[in-house]
This record gives sequence, C-alpha cells and structure tokens, in this order.
Amino acid sequence: GENVEQHPSTLSVQEGDSAVIKCTYSDSASNYFPWYKQELGKRPQLIIDIRSNVGEKKDQRIAVTLNKTAKHFSLHITETQPEDSAVYFCAASHSGNTPLVFGKGTRLSVIA
Amino acid sequence: EAQVTQNPRYLITVTGKKLTVTCSQNMNHEYMSWYRQDPGLGLRQIYYSMNVEVTDKGDVPEGYKVSRKEKRNFPLILESPSPNQTSLYFCASSLSGARGGYTFGSGTRLTVV
Repeated sequence: GENVEQHPSTLSVQEGDSAVIKCTYSDSASNYFPWYKQELGKRPQLIIDIRSNVGEKKDQRIAVTLNKTAKHFSLHITETQPEDSAVYFCAASHSGNTPLVFGKGTRLSVIA
Repeated sequence: EAQVTQNPRYLITVTGKKLTVTCSQNMNHEYMSWYRQDPGLGLRQIYYSMNVEVTDKGDVPEGYKVSRKEKRNFPLILESPSPNQTSLYFCASSLSGARGGYTFGSGTRLTVV
C-alpha cells in the first residue's frame, strides 16, 4: 500500500521568511496530492491540492510542486505570517476511489 | 451550511463500557471515513465507507466497528474500549473517495480510564 513520508516534523521560521515542507510517496500510481492545515484545537482543512497532470499550483502565498519521477511533492509558503502557525499534513491517493494516506505532519511555528 | 457533525466533542469513559461516536454529513457525500490522531503519528485511518452498506478496514481497525445504513451517518462503535484507544477522533467525508479532498468533523477527544 501507499506510504507517505513527511519532513521536517517541526519547522520554525521568522515572520516574512519562506517555509518549505516536503513529502515523498511510495505508490507510483498515486495521482492526487492534497495538503491540509490544522490549527491548534481545530479540524484539518484542505488548503491546496495538486493532481499528477500538473507540476505546480499556486494560490496566493502558498504553492505546491510535484515531481512524479522522484515521487515527491512540496508545500511552499512565502511571506509567512503568525497565522500560518499550524500543523500541516500532506496526503496521497490514486484513482480518487482509494483512501487518502497522510504523512505524520509538520508543526510550523512562525515567529514574529 | 455544509458540514460534518460529530458527537460528542469530549468523552471520558471507563475500560470496557461500550460507546458510540456519531458522525453525520449533510452534503450527500458517498465517501465517509474515521481517523484517529495521536501525537507523532499523524492521522491514521480506522475504517472507511465508499457508499451505503459498504465498509472497509483502514490501517488501525482493531477494537472498532462501524456501520453505514444510511448515506448521511457513519457511527464509530467501541464495543469494549481500552486505554490505548484514548485519542482524538475525526470523521471525514467526500463526494467520492479522495477526489476533491475531505471535509472533517470537529473531532471527538476520547479518554478511556
């Protein structure tokens, strides 16, 4: 089955700097890669996703890149703000009818 | 408002006392799933359901049961809870499988003493 590895487990950045979180996956058939943000005491919420037919997707300050050959994808947050502080989870699945497999999460702290 | 509703939000129980955590969605989603979240382990899937009367085991199904008799409801049943089932539980739903991403419930923090 699919296995998703996520790094780093914790990340601290200064406000205004960029943050990068990386994930690797094992199943070459995976074709859907979402990212979730979980604020303290809240539920995970989808922030961006990418499908295997594109290499990069942007939404304001966040972007996701995908390298299918290397089987890894990354979340990039630019101009970080204190409200970006949260746990971020990557996930992968294939065909859309298989369950998402999540990484273990990255706790991002943005220091003002 | 489109949402996934879990109840209760908090529950403290004793070892061996059967309990049910309810999950209901109002979005006509086919797919529903239960996850548990533990520090350092991320989100681990317990059970999922692709549609009514169809359920499958996830990665950590031992000690849990589910049912999907109606499209909107997907209860999680702990027949004989044990302390290692102390965790934060999330129900999630999506239109079809992982496509379009999941909508999560607010979570249920369960403590088994």
